[in-house]
Amino acid sequence: GNSVTQMEGPVTLSEEAFLTINCTYTATGYPSLFWYVQYPGEGLQLLLKATKADDKGSNKGFEATYRKETTSFHLEKGSVQVSDSAVYFCALSGTGGTSYGKLTFGQGTILTVHP
Amino acid sequence: DADVTQTPRNRITKTGKRIMLECSQTKGHDRMYWYRQDPGLGLRLIYYSFDVKDINKGEISDGYSVSRQAQAKFSLSLESAIPNQTALYFCATSDRAETQYFGPGTRLLVL
Repeated sequence: GNSVTQMEGPVTLSEEAFLTINCTYTATGYPSLFWYVQYPGEGLQLLLKATKADDKGSNKGFEATYRKETTSFHLEKGSVQVSDSAVYFCALSGTGGTSYGKLTFGQGTILTVHP
Repeated sequence: DADVTQTPRNRITKTGKRIMLECSQTKGHDRMYWYRQDPGLGLRLIYYSFDVKDINKGEISDGYSVSRQAQAKFSLSLESAIPNQTALYFCATSDRAETQYFGPGTRLLVL
């Protein structure tokens, strides 16, 4: 079945540091890939997505590139801010069979950014 | 107003009680989902519905049931709550573009 593995957290950075959160996946077919963010006390919201190989999703300074050859979708940001402190989830959308129309999530990575 | 609303936002109940969590959406989407979130486990799918007449079990449906009362409403019930159902519960909706939109969550504590 489909699965998503994220790097273990928590991740603690100083403001303006470079961020990478690793995400790798296992899936059949050609899934779409997503990063969702959950701010304290809130639900998840879409951060960015990519629907095919070599696509780059970007939003709010965050980027991730769909790498089919390495089955990865790593999240990066060049300079983090305190307001980026949140939980980040990598996810994929199933493409067929019983996985169609459903998201499979990684376990989440807690990011804390200090001033 | 929020596109996806959940009630209640917080709930404390006792073992053996029946409770219902409600979800409403104004996005006009056909697809609705219920997830639970536990620390270190991400989100796990409980039930999902692709339209009013379609209900499907997710990966952890045991102990839960759902009702799709209308396109905009999808309720989750715990028939007889137990302590390991203590979790954060999220409702979500989507259209055919795959992106899901989440409610603010219901924090449930089963004593």
